[in-house]
Amino acid sequence: GAGVSQSPSNKVTEKGKDVELRCDPISGHTALYWYRQSLGQGLEFLIYFQGNSAPDKSGLPSDRFSAERTGGSVSTLTIQRTQQEDSAVYLCASSLVGSGALQETQYFGPGTRLLVL
Amino acid sequence: LAKTTQPISMDSYEGQEVNITCSHNNIATNDYITWYQQFPSQGPRFIIQGYKTKVTNEVASLFIPADRKSSTLSLPRVSLSDTAVYYCLVGDGNAGNMLTFGGGTRLMVKP
Repeated sequence: GAGVSQSPSNKVTEKGKDVELRCDPISGHTALYWYRQSLGQGLEFLIYFQGNSAPDKSGLPSDRFSAERTGGSVSTLTIQRTQQEDSAVYLCASSLVGSGALQETQYFGPGTRLLVL
Repeated sequence: LAKTTQPISMDSYEGQEVNITCSHNNIATNDYITWYQQFPSQGPRFIIQGYKTKVTNEVASLFIPADRKSSTLSLPRVSLSDTAVYYCLVGDGNAGNMLTFGGGTRLMVKP
């Protein structure tokens, strides 16, 4: 596709359930990022994948959060035993090289809106 | 990690020029300054990036004074569709630096 896509666009779940969020980056982009954005707030970094390197998980808020990236393309963010404070928009972005240079533009998907009841 | 400070919100009217200033007093020598725009219910979108002096593209201009401790995003002749949140980011080639978004500036353009 032309841009980053995410699914589902909206997810409502009950407290304690597990959820999986999917991100399809732009074809050929080697770097993939996950962010979280709470209502009216800025973006909070969660995790960063660069090629086949071990991901930077330094932003994950707890061990209930995990992510994987299969084949260097599609990524899945999993939240186990969801809590109400996990309610937010989860944004995925990709960039071409992911060298870490700020010169590189990150292309964002539309996000997944997660509501935990 | 360079911290940025922006106004929380700004109001403007259609056709006016809007200038949003970002302070980054502890910017490092290798840091670049980047601005993103976010519309409601969408992910952020890159607008412009610069290192020093002035940068202009089809969307905006970025003014950076010699000391680089601040930068100003200039949007010429705004329209209602420019209503969005604008984020200023400062960082260098380290991944940790480029992944920090602040609260941004919420721009409201009125008719």
